[in-house]
Amino acid sequence: GAVVSQHPSRVICKSGTSVKIECRSLDFQATTMFWYRQFPKQSLMLMATSNEGSKATYEQGVEKDKFLINHASLTLSTLTVTSAHPEDSSFYICSARLAGHIGTDTQYFGPGTRLTVL
Amino acid sequence: DQQVKQNSPSLSVQEGRISILNCDYTNSMFDYFLWYKKYPAEGPTFLISISSIKDKNEDGRFTVFLNKSAKHLSLHIVPSQPGDSAVYFCAASARSNYQLIWGAGTKLIIKP
Repeated sequence: GAVVSQHPSRVICKSGTSVKIECRSLDFQATTMFWYRQFPKQSLMLMATSNEGSKATYEQGVEKDKFLINHASLTLSTLTVTSAHPEDSSFYICSARLAGHIGTDTQYFGPGTRLTVL
Repeated sequence: DQQVKQNSPSLSVQEGRISILNCDYTNSMFDYFLWYKKYPAEGPTFLISISSIKDKNEDGRFTVFLNKSAKHLSLHIVPSQPGDSAVYFCAASARSNYQLIWGAGTKLIIKP
């Protein structure tokens, strides 16, 4: 149980184009999903919290107009990198929150998406 | 201001021996702690967690110990196996905010 998928796993695009990454919780409903970015040899950096049916909450320093997040259903959140530039090349990972007893929520992660912007 | 610290960037352990990964935290509001394992170019995999009402949680080869007074937790893996070689992240959350605060990770290398 608690499986999260991401699609695509790898994407290469030209500078200036937009790329959409999907995150799905396959066997549970997730009212909250998270989008992370990982730079080489660094820990995960939380970009935004995606709440079903409402606007995403972005972390400080993350451009909301560049990284569009849509949480259209309880099992799907999408991240669109708009007008991508080479510096956006990174490993993007989503997670879905599985609610447990009060204070024991666990996040389950997707396999990640490697974005390369040429 | 690192609220969750993993002070050892890497750890090398002989196969079959015990691996002990450490994590310290500073925020006394944290009440739930998790360990994740991560291979390169993959998402983290949830391993084990512990609530602040406990001081030990065991699942197979993995045991997590929590010392609230010292604000310290550790993950014990015994016996260590080659497939355990990965980066291990410690994460913490507070009941009032379910966001995870991550440590920097410790790269565990299991030597044959």
